[in-house]
Amino acid sequence: EVQLVESGGDLVNPGRSLRLSCTASGFTFGDWAISWFRQAPGKGLEWVGFVRSRAYGGTTEYGASVKGRFTISRDDSKSIAYLQLNSLKAEDTAIYYCCKPRDTAIWGSLHHWGQGTLVTVSS
Amino acid sequence: EIVMTQSPLSLPVTPGEPASISCRSSQGLLNTNGYYYLDWYLQKPGQSPQLLIYLGSHRASGVPDRISGSGSGTDFTLKISRVEAEDVGIYYCMQTLQIPWTFGQGTKVEIK
Repeated sequence: EVQLVESGGDLVNPGRSLRLSCTASGFTFGDWAISWFRQAPGKGLEWVGFVRSRAYGGTTEYGASVKGRFTISRDDSKSIAYLQLNSLKAEDTAIYYCCKPRDTAIWGSLHHWGQGTLVTVSS
Repeated sequence: EIVMTQSPLSLPVTPGEPASISCRSSQGLLNTNGYYYLDWYLQKPGQSPQLLIYLGSHRASGVPDRISGSGSGTDFTLKISRVEAEDVGIYYCMQTLQIPWTFGQGTKVEIK
């Protein structure tokens, strides 16, 4: 059974950093792209970014609101994806989800989602 | 950036009756591989989103056949042939043809 478990969410002051983890099981992690999404309290879904599998270069893409501040990485040996959040702002307050697509070559169509981890940015 | 527009934003439904949600994109979503890069998700209260329909019209595993997706170009539709109580939640369309991936605003489906 595919499982994605996010961790690392916390209450942090504006301007600080945080690293979220997405621990995967139930599939060959290295073969799959991993995406991150977020949802601010009472708001809709927002795409944060994704990291391709090594077969596709392991490169990353980001949404405009986080580009330059957030970094996605992966450790295939541990089956973990990371989301490094720097220079945090109040508007980054959200539940952060990691996701796996249903196809190794089509990186959208996110078939598996974690339960999410809450990041609160406040002084 | 491709802008996704859903309608309606609120949809009161009667159990057993059909329901339909529209999603319109500011650009066509047809990929060179022949697939429309448009997915539908349902977020039930207190839960993570779940994939319902992928690539425009393909039902995800475990999704009942009373839920269907259709469309082409820039206009897409999610249909529920007979609404059940378990269908309540917020429905989102999302395009993944072009970065940044973008969502519609969401359609809240409630039982009347």
